[in-house]
Amino acid sequence: KAGVTQTPRYLIKTRGQQVTLSCSPISGHRSVSWYQQTPGQGLQFLFEYFSETQRNKGNFPGRFSGRQFSNSRSEMNVSTLELGDSALYLCASSTRLLRETQYFGPGTRLLVL
Amino acid sequence: QKEVEQNSGPLSVPEGAIASLNCTYSDRGSQSFFWYRQYSGKSPELIMFIYSNGDKEDGRFTAQLNKASQYVSLLIRDSQPSDSATYLCAVNFRMDSSYKLIFGSGTRLLVRP
Repeated sequence: KAGVTQTPRYLIKTRGQQVTLSCSPISGHRSVSWYQQTPGQGLQFLFEYFSETQRNKGNFPGRFSGRQFSNSRSEMNVSTLELGDSALYLCASSTRLLRETQYFGPGTRLLVL
Repeated sequence: QKEVEQNSGPLSVPEGAIASLNCTYSDRGSQSFFWYRQYSGKSPELIMFIYSNGDKEDGRFTAQLNKASQYVSLLIRDSQPSDSATYLCAVNFRMDSSYKLIFGSGTRLLVRP
């Protein structure tokens, strides 16, 4: 069974721009969660989608948004990029909600200049 | 405030020794506990999960859970240099009607040949 895939793997943007990241979960997994990982803050939960609905949300500003499609694929959008948004963005999928084991994708490394 | 605490390390052990990694959490009502391994520049990889008090063994790995004392630990027997990585403890907290997976900051393990 193929694992979680994320595109693109690397991205360079400038302040003020916006970015869209994509995640395809493991086949059969309907829950997709997004995380931001930085050296200073560690791994922080952004939000979770299940059946095209946002079910859980972390403490991030409204510039961070996401959506999930009927095939469970998910996208995350960050608008008006700031230097502090430079991070590894990880997507994880699981069969149900966050009670279940999550499997991570390889991540998208975003650099904001 | 839901918290997961880990000693950042590095924890240095000789090859063949037992490495003991510890994690404490703040919410007595937490139900699910996970250990992930993360190599530098890679995404987290699930090692084990544990739901019930006591020990759970999988190969060289043993997870131990003590809900009364609110700690979970990971023992790695016969440590190998390839085990050198950061180990992340994650705890599933129930908040209102939803769940959030909170990660500790990780313990860096160094296995010396």
